[in-house]
Amino acid sequence: EAGVAQSPRYKIIEKRQSVAFWCNPISGHATLYWYQQILGQGPKLLIQFQNNGVVDDSQLPKDRFSAERLKGVDSTLKIQPAKLEDSAVYLCASSFGQISYNEQFFGPGTRLTVL
Amino acid sequence: QKEVEQDPGPLSVPEGAIVSLNCTYSNSAFQYFMWYRQYSRKGPELLMYTYSSGNKEDGRFTAQVDKSSKYISLFIRDSQPSDSATYLCAMSAGTGGFKTIFGAGTRLFVKA
Repeated sequence: EAGVAQSPRYKIIEKRQSVAFWCNPISGHATLYWYQQILGQGPKLLIQFQNNGVVDDSQLPKDRFSAERLKGVDSTLKIQPAKLEDSAVYLCASSFGQISYNEQFFGPGTRLTVL
Repeated sequence: QKEVEQDPGPLSVPEGAIVSLNCTYSNSAFQYFMWYRQYSRKGPELLMYTYSSGNKEDGRFTAQVDKSSKYISLFIRDSQPSDSATYLCAMSAGTGGFKTIFGAGTRLFVKA
């Protein structure tokens, strides 16, 4: 079974530029998550999708971050404009559902450096 | 106060040692307690999860949850160099509150 795919793996941009990350979840997984992991911290949920609907985006900085999940499969996360404090690893995860407990499977992440 | 507190370490032990990793939390609504392992430049992978209080064992790993003290632990017996990684505790309230809250992670080094 293929895992969660993410691209690019690394990205370096200057502040005020825009950047986009892509995620392909495990086939059949209805729930998709985007996390931000700053160095030395645990992952923080940015947005959670159930199929192509948003379940939780309470911690997404909506003035600069946006995410979409078209057709309930792939997802993109965009930052525009980027700030220095956005330097982090952006992790995508997926799970089969969201009833009770469902194991989340993580991709390798995209390491973003904002200069 | 953070919802989940975890000592970031690093923790360095000799091969074969018993390792104890711990987290405390403040939200009494948490019902699901997970331990993830994260190798350098990789995404986290689930090691174990426990529902409510009690112990759970899987090979060399034992997870303990004490809800009365809001304290969870992961024990690793006969630690191996391949166990060197960051261990993240994570918690969720489950039904009605699916957000998973992660601790900061403890970096573990097992020396051969």
